[in-house]
Amino acid sequence: GENVGLHLPTLSVQEGDNSIINCAYSNSASDYFIWYKQESGKGPQFIIDIRSNMDKRQGQRVTVLLNKTVKHLSLQIAATQPGDSAVYFCAETLIQGAQKLVFGQGTRLTINP
Amino acid sequence: DAGVTQSPTHLIKTRGQHVTLRCSPISGHKSVSWYQQVLGQGPQFIFQYYEKEERGRGNFPDRFSARQFPNYSSELNVNALLLGDSALYLCASSLGYGNTIYFGEGSWLTVV
Repeated sequence: GENVGLHLPTLSVQEGDNSIINCAYSNSASDYFIWYKQESGKGPQFIIDIRSNMDKRQGQRVTVLLNKTVKHLSLQIAATQPGDSAVYFCAETLIQGAQKLVFGQGTRLTINP
Repeated sequence: DAGVTQSPTHLIKTRGQHVTLRCSPISGHKSVSWYQQVLGQGPQFIFQYYEKEERGRGNFPDRFSARQFPNYSSELNVNALLLGDSALYLCASSLGYGNTIYFGEGSWLTVV
């Protein structure tokens, strides 16, 4: 199918710890991947993206890793803060063609004080 | 700069009615996409428009239609509403292929 799956539906971490959210994608032809954060009642917020010609990309407190061999994507959040609590989605698409993002179910990240 | 804006934010409709949802992309963005997000799931692709032409369509019935205007704003129309159409409808925009895709806050549709 065209599902982007997530290994864990929920993740609970201590404030200040690092968080790792995993994602398995199914379409080996996908060449553009995006992580979104969605807070309750809001639309998805862009976090970071990566193209298939890269295997790692860093942003502010976030790092995305791409392993095309096993079709796996991960989002690392450093020094997790209470404001990081949200549902995180990874999405895959093809750069050429319709900008059709395929999302998974999402992982709910909860930060414990 | 304003992000992707959608209206209305919330609405309630009765089964069988019609609904029109509106979206204004980020200034300069020519690509607009629509997604449906049912509670507890990830967004599902409905349509993509680029330069006022439909460039992609998801697995949704013909009751769903959309269009893009010369100013790149867009409308999503849903006819003969069903209870199952209750969802968050998201609009996304980008400069074009290979560029970052940004979402609006969505329109919450409840069908009763």
